[in-house]
Amino acid sequence: HSALTQPHSVSGSPGQSVTISCTGTSSDVGGYNYVSWYQQHPGKAPKVMIYDVTKRPSGVPDRFSGSKSGNTASLTISGLQAEDGADYYCCSYAGSFPLVFGGGTKLTVL
Amino acid sequence: EVQLVQSGGEVKKPGESLKISCKGSGYDFTKYWIGWVRQMPGKGLEWMGIIYPGDYDTRYSPSFQGQVTISADKSIITAYLQWSSLKASDTAMYYCARRVSSAWYFDSWGQGTLVTVSS
Repeated sequence: HSALTQPHSVSGSPGQSVTISCTGTSSDVGGYNYVSWYQQHPGKAPKVMIYDVTKRPSGVPDRFSGSKSGNTASLTISGLQAEDGADYYCCSYAGSFPLVFGGGTKLTVL
Repeated sequence: EVQLVQSGGEVKKPGESLKISCKGSGYDFTKYWIGWVRQMPGKGLEWMGIIYPGDYDTRYSPSFQGQVTISADKSIITAYLQWSSLKASDTAMYYCARRVSSAWYFDSWGQGTLVTVSS
């Protein structure tokens, strides 16, 4: 099962919004509403930011939001802050496999 | 407070065996799946497999099936990841993580175990 496709990097200035895409297939992203997003700072363990496509765990700022259209899920971060600079990974349920991660996106806050 | 505490870093030679651990606390260990995730140096996350400590049901990513063994001992609330013959390409950080019931995401992560395989 192939990894989900994410852009290698994105960037934005403080206060701006950025969107990170995550493209899969009808066997994973498009077939289930089980897409999650993880933030990872250097040397740290990943942290869930979005689950079930659009839901935010308690404690995650509402600047983070998720969506999905067809086989592509997206993570949008509005009102960018310096501490949002990190690597972001999408992850989807894929039926019998049953999980697959994206390749990761490095977010740079300019 | 939910905590997953992993064993310390390891330095091994190719061909050696290894078993690393992940101890859960602060919740009913038998009622949540524990997954393992690999992160090679400078690379992304890769899902390896998952185990349900309640009945030891285990699933593997096709990429890791036959390469590693995932197990658990619910009596000591610990999950394991083991190799019978390490390769240099197994050098990576390995994370355990708890899967939320009735959903497919990980809400708590261990601190990671760095495995270095070098002759």
